[in-house]
Amino acid sequence: AQSVDQPDAHVTLSEGASLELRCSYSYSAAPYLFWYVQYPGQSLQFLLKYITGDTVVKGTKGFEAEFRKSNSSFNLKKSPAHWSDSAKYFCALEGNTGANTGKLTFGHGTILRVHP
Amino acid sequence: AQTIHQWPVAEIKAVGSPLSLGCTIKGKSSPNLYWYWQATGGTLQQLFYSITVGQVESVVQLNLSASRPKDDQFILSTEKLLLSHSGFYLCAWSLDISAETLYFGSGTRLTVL
Repeated sequence: AQSVDQPDAHVTLSEGASLELRCSYSYSAAPYLFWYVQYPGQSLQFLLKYITGDTVVKGTKGFEAEFRKSNSSFNLKKSPAHWSDSAKYFCALEGNTGANTGKLTFGHGTILRVHP
Repeated sequence: AQTIHQWPVAEIKAVGSPLSLGCTIKGKSSPNLYWYWQATGGTLQQLFYSITVGQVESVVQLNLSASRPKDDQFILSTEKLLLSHSGFYLCAWSLDISAETLYFGSGTRLTVL
């Protein structure tokens, strides 16, 4: 079985602060991990992904994430945050072994609000 | 450049009525296609995926069906809508079935009354 947990349903911070959105996963091997963003009323856009190699991955819009196998996490970071970063962020895991190959599981998302 | 177009943008339908949602991808041959459903304020649930024309795999059973009549077209439908079908339906494509970025359409917001 595979699962993704985004423990913070809401995160609020001021513009200029550093943001970190948490994501933990459960999977028997090293999965493929993704972050997507959904702006209000819109569809989802890809931010970044970890497949293999360097555990710190950089994506679009100035975001980066670090894959930590030791604690099964893939937290999303950006500094400084801007009010336009306000959106809902989804962490997703893709299985890559056996019957889970290609199976994508999304977390419940974290709503980020950045105050100007 | 690849483009993905979903239609309609929004639908308000009665319980028990039929539904057909569509998705077209231009600029990419033989894409992998997906249908996702998002309940209001919720996460995304994959409904169907298709690797090639005429082949569709169901991921969850929600009294919905999908078809891929053309390489660039993916259709989601049902003969009888339920209240629980309300939500946001997203079509997506990827280059391959594994380790690939999903590119989402703009979505269809469905309200079932």
